[in-house]
Amino acid sequence: AQTVTQSQPEMSVQEAETVTLSCTYDTSESDYYLFWYKQPPSRQMILVIRQEAYKQQNATENRFSVNFQKAAKSFSLKISDSQLGDAAMYFCARGSDKLIFGTGTRLQVFP
Amino acid sequence: NAGVMQNPRHLVRRRGQEARLRCSPMKGHSHVYWYRQLPEEGLKFMVYLQKENIIDESGMPKERFSAEFPKEGPSILRIQQVVRGDSAAYFCASSPPGYFPDTQYFGPGTRLTVL
Repeated sequence: AQTVTQSQPEMSVQEAETVTLSCTYDTSESDYYLFWYKQPPSRQMILVIRQEAYKQQNATENRFSVNFQKAAKSFSLKISDSQLGDAAMYFCARGSDKLIFGTGTRLQVFP
Repeated sequence: NAGVMQNPRHLVRRRGQEARLRCSPMKGHSHVYWYRQLPEEGLKFMVYLQKENIIDESGMPKERFSAEFPKEGPSILRIQQVVRGDSAAYFCASSPPGYFPDTQYFGPGTRLTVL
């Protein structure tokens, strides 16, 4: 079965601190993408960051970066200098055409 | 450049009625995907379409659900004879043309409530 697992249902972080959300996946494909999407209370799905599986270099987008370990099938998201606006559900997803989503991690940010 | 548009944003139907959900992809995008999100769950893939073609419908329930993406106009997800279990948020996403599908950009979703 091709699955995506997010083992942390909830996480919390102090404003300005760093937090890491974990994600593991299973696949038999060699070419695929990995994504982190953010879903705030508005329920809009917002792309945070993406990683091509064939690239060894970890993707970075401003305060967001990933730790991609292809052999271990691990794809964690690090949020640096956390802000109150980062509070949301975060979904990890894997795919080429159809995306397989994890069950999400709810991130709370405390002032 | 307008994003993916979905309408209506909220739809209320009584059991047995039909629901039609519309999705207009981003300009220049030719791939459309539909996902369903049940309360407190992640998104589940339903169907992947290109213009006038269904590419992958492996996530679609076998009965009552259908999808199309005509040559002109938006993509439509149609649910016939709705039941309470169909209550969910339905998201559409689009991606640009290409042999290897690219990043999917999501619309705001349609929240369907079946009474």
